[in-house]
Amino acid sequence: GAGVSQSPSNKVTEKGKDVELRCDPISGHTALYWYRQSLGQGLEFLIYFQGNSAPDKSGLPSDRFSAERTGGSVSTLTIQRTQQEDSAVYLCASSLEGGGRYTDTQYFGPGTRLTVL
Amino acid sequence: KQEVTQIPAALSVPEGENLVLNCSFTDSAIYNLQWFRQDPGKGLTSLLLIQSSQREQTSGRLNASLDKSSGRSTLYIAASQPGDSATYLCATNDYKLSFGAGTTVTVRA
Repeated sequence: GAGVSQSPSNKVTEKGKDVELRCDPISGHTALYWYRQSLGQGLEFLIYFQGNSAPDKSGLPSDRFSAERTGGSVSTLTIQRTQQEDSAVYLCASSLEGGGRYTDTQYFGPGTRLTVL
Repeated sequence: KQEVTQIPAALSVPEGENLVLNCSFTDSAIYNLQWFRQDPGKGLTSLLLIQSSQREQTSGRLNASLDKSSGRSTLYIAASQPGDSATYLCATNDYKLSFGAGTTVTVRA
């Protein structure tokens, strides 16, 4: 079946602009995660959705970052007033159950490479 | 906060040699541990998942062990091939993943 998809694959924006990144999880997966991969910080957790609610937003680096999930499926990560330090690859993952399950495997999308000029 | 360390950071071996990749973590309260592969410019591919109650998991040429009490996991890749060249990441799962920095492997033909 189809895997996790993300769009756009690349995004170049100017400092101060807003951007939206989209994630389509694997059909039927209830849990969705956003991670960020940058040269200086490695791979870090941003936010976790269970259905449409986000029980853990602890990884969002500032209030310029927000995310929503609708219909228990598609998720959008929005970054307002982008800064150069926001440049990174944003990865989305989904899993069947989430919430801490011993067999729960997270499957990753190809990522969106964001460059802020 | 979970700290995950991978040693070595890079590894270069001739084709056919076995690979041993190490991962250590500080907090043993995990549900499972996953090993991923990442090719340049690509996303993450899940290789193996070991549940916290398991000691070992195998898939083809890959074998991963887990010693939760000592906070260690090891990924073994038998009879390496040039196609195994990639960065390998381990991640602990307490519902969200905490990643190591990865080991970049080069297999020379």
